[in-house]
Amino acid sequence: ETGVTQSPTHLIKTRGQQVTLRCSSQSGHNTVSWYQQALGQGPQFIFQYYREEENGRGNFPPRFSGLQFPNYSSELNVNALELDDSALYLCASSLQGANDYGYTFGSGTRLTVV
Amino acid sequence: AQRVTQPEKLLSVFKGAPVELKCNYSYSGSPELFWYVQYSRQRLQLLLRHISRESIKGFTADLNKGETSFHLKKPFAQEEDSAMYYCALQGGSEKLVFGKGTKLTVNP
Repeated sequence: ETGVTQSPTHLIKTRGQQVTLRCSSQSGHNTVSWYQQALGQGPQFIFQYYREEENGRGNFPPRFSGLQFPNYSSELNVNALELDDSALYLCASSLQGANDYGYTFGSGTRLTVV
Repeated sequence: AQRVTQPEKLLSVFKGAPVELKCNYSYSGSPELFWYVQYSRQRLQLLLRHISRESIKGFTADLNKGETSFHLKKPFAQEEDSAMYYCALQGGSEKLVFGKGTKLTVNP
């Protein structure tokens, strides 16, 4: 059973640029959630994808968008990067309807915006 | 609104001492509550969930709806318990709401 893998592990971007982060879900999981973890804070929910559609969204602006692919992997896209977007971005996969609350987290992508 | 408060940013105890990490929540319905742990250089992982009423690595947590608390306890701390601990709430949707975390250091 493979876990959640995220790429890249680290990334440096310039303010105003766009970035794409990738996540492969754990084998057997069909749902992917994205979280932003700023320094010294707990993870904050960005959105979740299930059956290739957004299934819930946190308090993030539209320049944060995502995709889920038929193999359940997912991308997080952020446009017009701002300095405050610097954070650790976590992906978590789960099985919708399993009712076991089994979220598996990836190691994250550390994004630095300069 | 859903909110999780972990009042202690840092907690330091000696090996063998009891430890309690506090968590208070705000949610109008019946929440599902969790403790996640992140050891140094490792990914975030589930420690325990209140619905299963388990004891994992000697840790327990009791949901107190009257006090809206879900404190994590262990009677005898070990050095390997040193980590970041996050309390999280899930209420009526798939998203998890996390607290800011408590860094536990267990000194030898």
